[in-house]
Amino acid sequence: QVQLQESGPGLVKPSGTLSLTCVVSGGSITRSNWWSWVRQPPGKGLEWIGEIGHSGGTNYNPSLKSRVTISADGSKNQFSLRLNSVTAADTAVYYCVRINFETYGAYAPLDSWGQGTLVTVSS
Amino acid sequence: QAVLTQPSSLSASRGASASLTCTLRSGINVGTYRIYWYQQKPGSPPQYLLRDKSDSGDQRASGVPSRFSGSKDASANAGILLISGLQSEDEADYYCMVWHNGAVVFGGGTKLTVL
Repeated sequence: QVQLQESGPGLVKPSGTLSLTCVVSGGSITRSNWWSWVRQPPGKGLEWIGEIGHSGGTNYNPSLKSRVTISADGSKNQFSLRLNSVTAADTAVYYCVRINFETYGAYAPLDSWGQGTLVTVSS
Repeated sequence: QAVLTQPSSLSASRGASASLTCTLRSGINVGTYRIYWYQQKPGSPPQYLLRDKSDSGDQRASGVPSRFSGSKDASANAGILLISGLQSEDEADYYCMVWHNGAVVFGGGTKLTVL
């Protein structure tokens, strides 16, 4: 069973860069699934940030696209998120998630989630 | 206007049924979308529950009780999550999700209270 674990700084200064890594165990990120980041501000709903495919292709939420980069390292079986020019509005719990195209085909669900990590943007 | 709209809260009694709706924006036809549902309890990540029922049958994730089912209401242009025989453990936030123009979109979530 696949497991995902986020890691990274819990505090980032305004205008700085948020960087998180997700280590995947129990499955290879270079197989047919895609891998995604989702965030949730305290007390609010879910927001999709973007995704990276097994071959390295990416798609991003249009509202964040200018500030986001998602990358992957197959040798370490992990993928990463960078969000530039952060403000207090970027304070949220950040989840890394598997998009299970291998089982469900096109338009697949986000079926395995990490526990999430809280990132606070503050000086 | 948001792509997906959910009522912010819903209350129902233990043992009763609860019908959670996810309405698609006008001009977007629910018939052309797969609607996914997630459950989130306080302090935990969302958990994938199911997608709306299709010709290929039940689409619940592994371990999800049969009390949970998904469907669509074409007349309302909405997806529906039906929870029957409500239990106290069903009290949670519920989110719907679709793929729209190649991107994942979530509804705003419904907080379900079991009385």
